[in-house]
Amino acid sequence: ETGVTQSPTHLIKTRGQQVTLRCSSQSGHNTVSWYQQALGQGPQFIFQYYREEENGRGNFPPRFSGLQFPNYSSELNVNALELDDSALYLCASSGQGTHYNEQFFGPGTRLTVL
Amino acid sequence: RKEVEQDPGPFNVPEGATVAFNCTYSNSASQSFFWYRQDCRKEPKLLMSVYSSGNEDGRFTAQLNRASQYISLLIRDSKLSDSATYLCVVNPNDYKLSFGAGTTVTVRA
Repeated sequence: ETGVTQSPTHLIKTRGQQVTLRCSSQSGHNTVSWYQQALGQGPQFIFQYYREEENGRGNFPPRFSGLQFPNYSSELNVNALELDDSALYLCASSGQGTHYNEQFFGPGTRLTVL
Repeated sequence: RKEVEQDPGPFNVPEGATVAFNCTYSNSASQSFFWYRQDCRKEPKLLMSVYSSGNEDGRFTAQLNRASQYISLLIRDSKLSDSATYLCVVNPNDYKLSFGAGTTVTVRA
């Protein structure tokens, strides 16, 4: 069974730039959620994708957007980067059945905005 | 009020000791509860799901008190490898997980 993978591992951008982060879900999982984790904080929910549609969204501005593809992989796009966007971005996948809401995380992408 | 609140610790305990800590949640409609473990600069890993009043998995015991809206985690016979940040997680609806800021546990030899 393949776990959740994310790319790139690390990224450095400057303020105002745009970034795309990628995630491949665990095999058998059809739902992908994205979280932002600032240093010393718990992960904060950005949004979730199910069947290529946004299924729910947290308190993040519209410059945070995403996509899910037919193979259930997903992208997170952030436009007009701000210094406060520096964080660990985590992707989590979940499946169906009794434990459908158990989410399994990828290793994350560490984004630094200068 | 934060959705999930945890005592940040740190809890510094000797090997073999028992350590316990709680978290409280604000949304009384929450149905699912979890403990995740996170090592420094790594991703959170699911430690336990808490679906009823509580459950046990080896040295780890989770308790859920819906009336008081708190969840606890107890670790018995602590090992050095238990040193980590423990994240209390609540599922207030079908799609999002709400995380606490974490409780840091350090087990010393």
